[in-house]
Amino acid sequence: AQKVTQAQTEISVVEKEDVTLDCVYETRDTTYYLFWYKQPPSGELVFLIRRNSFDEQNEISGRYSWNFQKSTSSFNFTITASQVVDSAVYFCALSENGSSNTGKLIFGQGTTLQVKP
Amino acid sequence: KAGVTQTPRYLIKTRGQQVTLSCSPISGHRSVSWYQQTPGQGLQFLFEYFSETQRNKGNFPGRFSGRQFSNSRSEMNVSTLELGDSALYLCASSEGVLGNTIYFGEGSWLTVV
Repeated sequence: AQKVTQAQTEISVVEKEDVTLDCVYETRDTTYYLFWYKQPPSGELVFLIRRNSFDEQNEISGRYSWNFQKSTSSFNFTITASQVVDSAVYFCALSENGSSNTGKLIFGQGTTLQVKP
Repeated sequence: KAGVTQTPRYLIKTRGQQVTLSCSPISGHRSVSWYQQTPGQGLQFLFEYFSETQRNKGNFPGRFSGRQFSNSRSEMNVSTLELGDSALYLCASSEGVLGNTIYFGEGSWLTVV
């Protein structure tokens, strides 16, 4: 069965520290998509990145970087030199192949990141 | 380009009442999905509409329903509200092809008293 696990419930760091958010997923499909979203207190889920199962190239975007490893079913997210504005809940999500899965994301439980000044 | 717009943002209802939430997707997007977020259950998929047809449905009771109009705007309705329906309801839109990025609105905060 499909599942996304974010084992870290809460992480607290001091500004300028690097922080990595872990995500482990389970799926039987060979074609799937992984996402990271950020949810500030306002409630909106802000899209950060999408990866398909055939693209294991890791990506760096400014202070953000992502490490996708199919061998360990992990899709981790790192913030370098964290800032107070990075404080939010971060969600990892999985979208599987198949007509019954369009529009459907399976979310992890989320990791609350608190960055202290 | 405007994002996903949801109304109302906040509302309080009484048990037994019904509620209708509205969502306007990003221009050009034909798929609208709805999610419920609660502290206990997290983010759960309710249903997805594409070109006015419900294409997928999550595991929720029949009290939860939705529809989509020809302009892709969508509404969801919850009848006979229960206390446990208190949640953040998030609408999302995409172009409707599997794997497309799904963009979310700010949500509607529903409190049932």
